[in-house]
Amino acid sequence: NAGVMQNPRHLVRRRGQEARLRCSPMKGHSHVYWYRQLPEEGLKFMVYLQKENIIDESGMPKERFSAEFPKEGPSILRIQQVVRGDSAAYFCASSRQGVRSTGELFFGEGSRLTVL
Amino acid sequence: GEDVEQSLFLSVREGDSSVINCTYTDSSSTYLYWYKQEPGAGLQLLTYIFSNMDMKQDQRLTVLLNKKDKHLSLRIADTQTGDSAIYFCAESTANFGNEKLTFGTGTRLTIIP
Repeated sequence: NAGVMQNPRHLVRRRGQEARLRCSPMKGHSHVYWYRQLPEEGLKFMVYLQKENIIDESGMPKERFSAEFPKEGPSILRIQQVVRGDSAAYFCASSRQGVRSTGELFFGEGSRLTVL
Repeated sequence: GEDVEQSLFLSVREGDSSVINCTYTDSSSTYLYWYKQEPGAGLQLLTYIFSNMDMKQDQRLTVLLNKKDKHLSLRIADTQTGDSAIYFCAESTANFGNEKLTFGTGTRLTIIP
């Protein structure tokens, strides 16, 4: 039973390029969450999605960042025109029925973005 | 807003018990979590407790919740070298539409041989 799968695990981009991070939730999970972890800090919520819908994007920067979870395929976190401050670990998590219902939230291994 | 605080470091001798503490501010917290993160890895869900419980035990792990003081602790019995990691406390709130967890900054547990 595969866990939450994220790729790439490591990504290096130059300033101004685009970064695309992918997340496949656990089998049977339709709730996906993205969190960001800056060096030496805890995780900060970015966005919560269900299939084809963004439910809560209160933690997403207003510019350059977008997320989607299409009907088919993985969830994508997209960062346009990356800057050095975007360097961080980006974690995806999934839940079968949502955190409010079951409390359970399972994380992937993370995608570590380095902006040169 | 919600805030979760933890001490940054804890050192424990191998075989002793580790107790990692966490305080939170949101009185409407519903679930409280402990996650483990090893270097370069993701977060592993260790255990979580519903806010109407005082204690939860799972093998070497014991979670204690003092809701009045908004204090959560994780006790690891018979600490082993494999327990070296960063431990994150987190809370979620059951407000309508709120599905996010608020994390502490993590406690780095070091095991002394």
